[in-house]
Amino acid sequence: NAGVTQTPKFRILKIGQSMTLQCTQDMNHNYMYWYRQDPGMGLKLIYYSVGAGITDKGEVPNGYNVSRSTTEDFPLRLELAAPSQTSVYFCASSHGQSYNEQFFGPGTRLTVL
Amino acid sequence: QKEVEQNSGPLSVPEGAIASLNCTYSDRGSQSFFWYRQYSGKSPELIMFIYSNGDKEDGRFTAQLNKASQYVSLLIRDSQPSDSATYLCAGSSGGYNKLIFGAGTRLAVHP
Repeated sequence: NAGVTQTPKFRILKIGQSMTLQCTQDMNHNYMYWYRQDPGMGLKLIYYSVGAGITDKGEVPNGYNVSRSTTEDFPLRLELAAPSQTSVYFCASSHGQSYNEQFFGPGTRLTVL
Repeated sequence: QKEVEQNSGPLSVPEGAIASLNCTYSDRGSQSFFWYRQYSGKSPELIMFIYSNGDKEDGRFTAQLNKASQYVSLLIRDSQPSDSATYLCAGSSGGYNKLIFGAGTRLAVHP
């Protein structure tokens, strides 16, 4: 069981470029989440999904898009990268029952210059 | 705006002492609360969760919840240098196991 995996681990983008952060889980979890964590701050929810084909916005969705075509994968798309999107991005998944913990991937450190 | 607030620290305690980490939340609708530990450069990992008023113990860790005061705490007994990390408090928000995270308290346990 690999749990939650994320690629890439690190990435440097130029302003205006686009990229997709990949997230895959092998725990058959229904719920998946994308967070960003800025230095010295907690995690802010960007988008979440409760199943294949179902996604919704979190606290800070502007500048991002998501899709969920399978239970396993939940990619995060950045269009027209901006320096304000420099952050560490974490993907997480949860079984979908009440009080279920979220399991986190290792994170992607993104710098936009 | 739903918020979870924590003292950023650092909280410095000697090895073997009790570390007390605190958290307050604004959303009275939050039903469950989670404490995650995050080592520098790593992802958060769950330490404990609690959803009933009172105390919940797991080994060296005790979580305490007071819904009337909107207050959650985590006690770490017999603190070890390996406990040095940032501790994130999170409260449930709006279903689907969504969480609102605090900014975290940095704990430093010195020998």
